[in-house]
Amino acid sequence: DTGVSQDPRHKITKRGQNVTFRCDPISEHNRLYWYRQTLGQGPEFLTYFQNEAQLEKSRLLSDRFSAERPKGSFSTLEIQRTEQGDSAMYLCASSFPTGRTGELFFGEGSRLTVL
Amino acid sequence: QQQVKQSPQSLIVQKGGIPIINCAYENTAFDYFPWYQQFPGKGPALLIAIRPDVSEKKEGRFTISFNKSAKQFSLHIMDSQPGDSATYFCAASNSGYALNFGKGTSLLVTP
Repeated sequence: DTGVSQDPRHKITKRGQNVTFRCDPISEHNRLYWYRQTLGQGPEFLTYFQNEAQLEKSRLLSDRFSAERPKGSFSTLEIQRTEQGDSAMYLCASSFPTGRTGELFFGEGSRLTVL
Repeated sequence: QQQVKQSPQSLIVQKGGIPIINCAYENTAFDYFPWYQQFPGKGPALLIAIRPDVSEKKEGRFTISFNKSAKQFSLHIMDSQPGDSATYFCAASNSGYALNFGKGTSLLVTP
């Protein structure tokens, strides 16, 4: 399977715990995006990387959230001191650089439930 | 602030009908307008996209109509089928920046 893969697919945690999600993009894509989606809503942009550089962060990305893409390949999204409001689907997507199709290829997401 | 406003929130049509989903935007810098389709438990997948230099684009049974002056665009699904039942999201971006999604339209096509 050469699509975007995310791990874990589901995570249940208690309030206050830290969680980390991993995303492996399509190998030839150098852009990687994180989005959050809650029930009945569209994906909301969190942050994106071009290679290892984090180029844009949304105001939704509070200080408890940190994303990395250390070698320009896979990425991790960590949420510290989770809150119930963090419960959502966290979607990763990858794409070619600007100037090509602009299409984002999404993974199936990591669903977080904070109890 | 929602940069792309989508309507309706839900839609039910009979097989063969033509559901129409509408989106509006404010940012005139947007130059890329895709539609994504999402099935339960799956990530969104690109359906069709348009750039503002054309007013209409067709791919199979899916058509985007684009009105630059009104800052609106819409998705039409011709001869809709039960397998088209999904959530549809419009989105917009300007080149080099992240997509801004609408809130989605849940479409049900009845047999």
